[in-house]
Amino acid sequence: QSVLTQPPSASGSPGQRVTMSCSGSDSNIGNNYVYWYQQFPGTAPKLLIYKTNQRPSGVPDRFSGSKSGTSASLAISGLRSEDEADYYCAVWDDSLSGWVFGGGTKLTVL
Amino acid sequence: EVQLVESGGGLVKPGGSLRLSCAASGFTFSSYSMNWVRQAPGKGLEWVASISSSSGFTYYANSVKGRFTISRDNAKNSLYLQMNSLRAEDTAVYYCVRCGMFGVTIFSNWFDPWGQGTLVTVSS
Repeated sequence: QSVLTQPPSASGSPGQRVTMSCSGSDSNIGNNYVYWYQQFPGTAPKLLIYKTNQRPSGVPDRFSGSKSGTSASLAISGLRSEDEADYYCAVWDDSLSGWVFGGGTKLTVL
Repeated sequence: EVQLVESGGGLVKPGGSLRLSCAASGFTFSSYSMNWVRQAPGKGLEWVASISSSSGFTYYANSVKGRFTISRDNAKNSLYLQMNSLRAEDTAVYYCVRCGMFGVTIFSNWFDPWGQGTLVTVSS
């Protein structure tokens, strides 16, 4: 049972916009930055969004992050087949004094 | 180019010990906090432990506290994870991960980049 709740799956057709959520609490999302990681099968995760809504260099602007209260979202616009991957949110939890990850959302491009 | 290369994984019996190493290159290792994150087969990511650049601060997940010890040797550009009293549920790929920015506290930082991981299997 993860401290952060993510839907296990999401899907969309090429060109569409999809969003995936990450729900937490005051001690994590409500008080700290949110980070998103992308992972393809058999490979190490890669940073996708940092400080809630910042993109590292090399990450397309099709990817965007946001936060409201104790929930965060990752949006992918102009969906492409190569976006099919697992997506994880992560936040520092003040109560646990440690990092927590969501359970991950598997994105399928139809 | 930043490189993080883990080693030391393998098969160990329940109750046994194992020491993971991570060789870092391509950046000033002594300036960055470092982390271990694991992923059980077919499961999600789980943060394990973090250590500040000068080893002054360490943080552990409740699931490993008292059993695992994170350490580093800045002279050798190396990160370690000593794992004792291993359990079946510790079976996972263990990733060595750098914090994304130097000079920033662990809890305000992020995980970037990641090594390729080393598999630890705890089984009799």
